[in-house]
Amino acid sequence: AQSVSQHNHHVILSEAASLELGCNYSYGGTVNLFWYVQYPGQHLQLLLKYFSGDPLVKGIKGFEAEFIKSKFSFNLRKPSVQWSDTAEYFCAVNPYSGGGADGLTFGKGTHLIIQP
Amino acid sequence: DAGVTQSPTHLIKTRGQQVTLRCSPKSGHDTVSWYQQALGQGPQFIFQYYEEEERQRGNFPDRFSGHQFPNYSSELNVNALLLGDSALYLCASSRILDRTYGYTFGSGTRLTVV
Repeated sequence: AQSVSQHNHHVILSEAASLELGCNYSYGGTVNLFWYVQYPGQHLQLLLKYFSGDPLVKGIKGFEAEFIKSKFSFNLRKPSVQWSDTAEYFCAVNPYSGGGADGLTFGKGTHLIIQP
Repeated sequence: DAGVTQSPTHLIKTRGQQVTLRCSPKSGHDTVSWYQQALGQGPQFIFQYYEEEERQRGNFPDRFSGHQFPNYSSELNVNALLLGDSALYLCASSRILDRTYGYTFGSGTRLTVV
């Protein structure tokens, strides 16, 4: 079974600082990778996803992530954070099956607080 | 608007009781997945329904069961509630043939077991 590890449970940054959230997964085969964000009181929203092609993926709100297959990693980055980025961030994975929308395995999440 | 509608938004039940949660998928979606999110944790996959049948299941006991109706809406049933079942229950919908893995999540049902 696959698993996902997010290294930082709580991160506090000042506005305009750069962000990198770590995500490593454990699975022997080909995977699809996702980052979701959960703003306070809101539903999970997709930031970006990778399932094939260019390992550098750009998402919404200036976020990007790089899939490094040799390191089983999919770290999330943003060059300059804003106060509105305060939220819970989840990395998720599912085995590549060519389609079918298989169930996702999530990490425990990283609580990001941006100080003005 | 998430496009996925869950009801109720909050629920309080007593240990040992049974509960039913409901989910209406986003228009055009035919697959419904359920997740349990305990406080301070990431969502955990319970099961997925497609064509009114359970297609995949996570590591949850048989006390957790579900149903999908012909209009693609779904129910999650939990029997013999335990205090540890207190969590946010999320529904996510998708299209089985969607190669871009476009899941849409609902806002969830907050279940408290006392």
